[in-house]
Amino acid sequence: DQQVKQNSPSLSVQEGRISILNCDYTNSMFDYFLWYKKYPAEGPTFLISISSIKDKNEDGRFTVFLNKSAKHLSLHIVPSQPGDSAVYFCAARGYQKVTFGIGTKLQVIP
Amino acid sequence: DAGVIQSPRHEVTEMGQEVTLRCKPISGHDYLFWYRQTMMRGLELLIYFNNNVPIDDSGMPEDRFSAKMPNASFSTLKIQPSEPRDSAVYFCASSLLWKGRDYGYTFGSGTRLTVV
Repeated sequence: DQQVKQNSPSLSVQEGRISILNCDYTNSMFDYFLWYKKYPAEGPTFLISISSIKDKNEDGRFTVFLNKSAKHLSLHIVPSQPGDSAVYFCAARGYQKVTFGIGTKLQVIP
Repeated sequence: DAGVIQSPRHEVTEMGQEVTLRCKPISGHDYLFWYRQTMMRGLELLIYFNNNVPIDDSGMPEDRFSAKMPNASFSTLKIQPSEPRDSAVYFCASSLLWKGRDYGYTFGSGTRLTVV
């Protein structure tokens, strides 16, 4: 049973436009949510996080939104750049361990 | 800091052989995690340690898998005997949880295991 779900395996966006990556979770005990970015042949790298007591966190071009009632979070990238092309993992922390989704492959087209 | 270091980067082995993956976490990090990445299941947590002590190994798929952390700077994940379905990328990650705030994991570059 996947507790963190990323239902879109891939997404293509034009350079300069907004990329929106979505994530749903089932466990209401998660207290922290994170996004990781992964390039081929590299390990995932931490991108941005949000505490469950907040509904928005912004860091430069990246913003994460959390809707606790819907158990949904999203990552917005504005403007999208070709270097953002990667696999993005949504993750949620509970009981000191982090559960990851299966990832969404983002392609930013120049 | 050199980050989390994993070895080898690639491993090709025959079915039935023993495979040992190695990880050196970031100095000072008190948590170490082993993950496996597959296309179907994404990143699965296999086991994690806190201060060298295994805390949760519920993700270890079978008794063929074992992990140790003899000291704060080294961990191994062993598969014996290996099977073709174990083929995946195995990641080690470490983190520092300080005053309840999660600064995020730092992952190694992974070991791509192929069992033929």
